[in-house]
Amino acid sequence: RKEVEQDPGPFNVPEGATVAFNCTYSNSASQSFFWYRQDCRKEPKLLMSVYSSGNEDGRFTAQLNRASQYISLLIRDSKLSDSATYLCVVNRGGYNFNKFYFGSGTKLNVKP
Amino acid sequence: NAGVTQTPKFRVLKTGQSMTLLCAQDMNHEYMYWYRQDPGMGLRLIHYSVGEGTTAKGEVPDGYNVSRLKKQNFLLGLESAAPSQTSVYFCASRSDSRNSPLHFGNGTRLTVT
Repeated sequence: RKEVEQDPGPFNVPEGATVAFNCTYSNSASQSFFWYRQDCRKEPKLLMSVYSSGNEDGRFTAQLNRASQYISLLIRDSKLSDSATYLCVVNRGGYNFNKFYFGSGTKLNVKP
Repeated sequence: NAGVTQTPKFRVLKTGQSMTLLCAQDMNHEYMYWYRQDPGMGLRLIHYSVGEGTTAKGEVPDGYNVSRLKKQNFLLGLESAAPSQTSVYFCASRSDSRNSPLHFGNGTRLTVT
């Protein structure tokens, strides 16, 4: 079983739609969680860290469910510029503080 | 604020040639990493460093060497390039604070023919 699993998509949504991605992780000891966005042929860029209580940044909301071992990303009022691949990244922390586990990414296409 | 800078951005090598990829960060980060990204494989860790003068192997270290002589620089070397090393290489850095995220450079696209 992969450490981090994501639905590869693509998710094709119209502008203005709300879309949600889930990501599951296998190791219950994981401590840090992140969402990155990656545009075609570009580097991953940090979208947001995910905190235990959930957090919001403008149109983006991230949630963490430790009991079920998944994190989610909700994008409201989708824009054309949101089209990208979204990577879920998990860090175990502790002795394994340098091990980051990457999901394979979920591709989002926002259509006019 | 430059962040993490990689050079070169593109390179084409012939099999057997050598080259060095340079990563520089201006955020005073302790930890630095080299990843490669291939279609369908995601990001895989090649080598990493937890401080000046230290290096460690990652998931796919074979065929690569690294050095961290200065805190701000992390070099990735290919001594004898092979077609299997055709990939996009990303350098990343992070602070030693708990839960700190990775900050990526803009990548080096390498083709080995």
